Amino acid sequence: DAGITQSPRYKITETGRQVTLMCHQTWSHSYMFWYRQDLGHGLRLIYYSAAADITDKGEVPDGYVVSRSKTENFPLTLESATRSQTSVYFCARAPHGEIYEQYFGPGTRLTVT
Amino acid sequence: DAKTTQPTSMDCAEGRAANLPCNHSTISGNEYVYWYRQIHSQGPQYIIHGLKNNETNEMASLIITEDRKSSTLILPHATLRDTAVYYCIVPVGSNYKLTFGKGTLLTVNP
Repeated sequence: DAGITQSPRYKITETGRQVTLMCHQTWSHSYMFWYRQDLGHGLRLIYYSAAADITDKGEVPDGYVVSRSKTENFPLTLESATRSQTSVYFCARAPHGEIYEQYFGPGTRLTVT
Repeated sequence: DAKTTQPTSMDCAEGRAANLPCNHSTISGNEYVYWYRQIHSQGPQYIIHGLKNNETNEMASLIITEDRKSSTLILPHATLRDTAVYYCIVPVGSNYKLTFGKGTLLTVNP
């Protein structure tokens, strides 16, 4: 158990709809991350957060919005889903001072039709 | 991230030690080596990391050569559940992201 949960685990949505993927950690780690994993691209960082109310863009932030009002939650919102956002999304946490020691959730498989 | 080179695949018999090599010849003096694995359909899993001394935890041991140009991850008694893709990563700077290359597919056989 990595102490991090994601919901839903599977989601099918239509193009143009807003979708929110939830991420919750049972620890109080400072850092949280959102990655997407696609065949041929590996894992790519979407957004990360160093603490509550502090977020920053990763490699592929376009089309996504994040917030972090509480340390333990880091939701990812697709404002208007596109087919290119079909992917597996992973949330991760890391303790302060060990940003590369990341603990990943089980993932959300999102399909945009 | 600093470039790492790993074999594409390896096999190991159940109960035997699995030794996974990684070359990172361009590593700088203050850069750590991290190992992760990803079991099919699961999220990546942190295993261990080190700077220059050998490290051991409940999952594995990490042996780093004296010149730090290569390292070996050792799973002392591999089980079928250790079948996964193993990634050796040397993050650079503080850009927060982990770059997973192609890794090594370790297959543990009964």
